[in-house]
Amino acid sequence: EPEVTQTPSHQVTQMGQEVILRCVPISNHLYFYWYRQILGQKVEFLVSFYNNEISEKSEIFDDQFSVERPDGSNFTLKIRSTKLEDSAMYFCASRPGLGLYNEQFFGPGTRLTVL
Amino acid sequence: GESVGLHLPTLSVQEGDNSIINCAYSNSASDYFIWYKQESGKGPQFIIDIRSNMDKRQGQRVTVLLNKTVKHLSLQIAATQPGDSAVYFCAAISSGSARQLTFGSGTQLTVLP
Repeated sequence: EPEVTQTPSHQVTQMGQEVILRCVPISNHLYFYWYRQILGQKVEFLVSFYNNEISEKSEIFDDQFSVERPDGSNFTLKIRSTKLEDSAMYFCASRPGLGLYNEQFFGPGTRLTVL
Repeated sequence: GESVGLHLPTLSVQEGDNSIINCAYSNSASDYFIWYKQESGKGPQFIIDIRSNMDKRQGQRVTVLLNKTVKHLSLQIAATQPGDSAVYFCAAISSGSARQLTFGSGTQLTVLP
């Protein structure tokens, strides 16, 4: 069964450093998402991506964040200068995009720890 | 905007009993709802969904009920098993092209032997 994959599973970085989180969405899916979950809190939407551009973003997704689909398979989230409060689980998700009522499939997540 | 909440942060049930997890949402424009299960260290896993033109949908051992009048939905799990122990989130999707999910805060379901 196809699944969303994410690398690395755990990323430790120093405050102020840049990190890139990587995702491989399900092949043939058209919409891609990043969500984050701070420990013990709810999953929060960051950004959606369709047709090689951002379609929606939340207030969390400020200028320090960017997304890219550098090739036909990868979807990345970059944080330019990490802050302590960026420590969280980051989930990538994708959906087919055909129709309004189809589920988003989530990857296993990357745990980002900012020291 | 949308906000989604859950009524109880934790729920403990005996194995074999039925579980009911509740959720409230705020945006009447939400037209699609999904229940996700999240096990420790894993990403959210789809359980069941329901569109706003429905009030009930059944899956294997799970039923989702939607009450649009009071903006409430519930997840019922029949004959709860140890493998059902996880955090359960409801998520709402409002009309719009991106169809991003707004998650509730989650209920930790613990199944007691």
